[in-house]
Amino acid sequence: GAVVSQHPSRVICKSGTSVKIECRSLDFQATTMFWYRQFPKQSLMLMATSNEGSKATYEQGVEKDKFLINHASLTLSTLTVTSAHPEDSSFYICSAGARTRLSNEQFFGPGTRLTVL
Amino acid sequence: QKEVEQNSGPLSVPEGAIASLNCTYSDRGSQSFFWYRQYSGKSPELIMSIYSNGDKEDGRFTAQLNKASQYVSLLIRDSQPSDSATYLCAVGGGSNYKLTFGKGTLLTVNP
Repeated sequence: GAVVSQHPSRVICKSGTSVKIECRSLDFQATTMFWYRQFPKQSLMLMATSNEGSKATYEQGVEKDKFLINHASLTLSTLTVTSAHPEDSSFYICSAGARTRLSNEQFFGPGTRLTVL
Repeated sequence: QKEVEQNSGPLSVPEGAIASLNCTYSDRGSQSFFWYRQYSGKSPELIMSIYSNGDKEDGRFTAQLNKASQYVSLLIRDSQPSDSATYLCAVGGGSNYKLTFGKGTLLTVNP
């Protein structure tokens, strides 16, 4: 149980285009999902918390107009990188919150590697 | 600001040895503690969770929690080359799903 998928797994795009990444909880409903970014050999950086039916909460320094998050259903959150530039090239990982017997846990998707040319 | 500190490593151990990974956290109200393993180029994978003081064992892995010292550790017995990865310590407040992650410790197990 608690499987999270992401699509696409890898995307290459030209500078100035927009890219949408989907994050799905496959066997559970997730009212809360998270979006992270990770540059090579660096730690996870939380970008935003995505709440079903409401606006996302962005971490300090993350441009909400550049990274659009939509959590329209209990199983799907999307991250759109608008007008992508080479510096946006990174590994984007989503996670979904799930209540287990003992606690609230996060389960991660496999990640999306974005390369902007 | 909630903080989670880990030694960045790299920690290098020979195959078959015990690898010991450590983590401290700043928020005394933290209630849930997790260890994730991340292979290069992959997303994190949850390997252990612990919620109360003491030890929790799962196969070759043992998590230890000391809330008074604000310290959590992960022991890996009989380390294998396949254990070579970055290990992330994460701490949660309990009321929501948000976690604070450490920067990770790179473990290398040498054959």
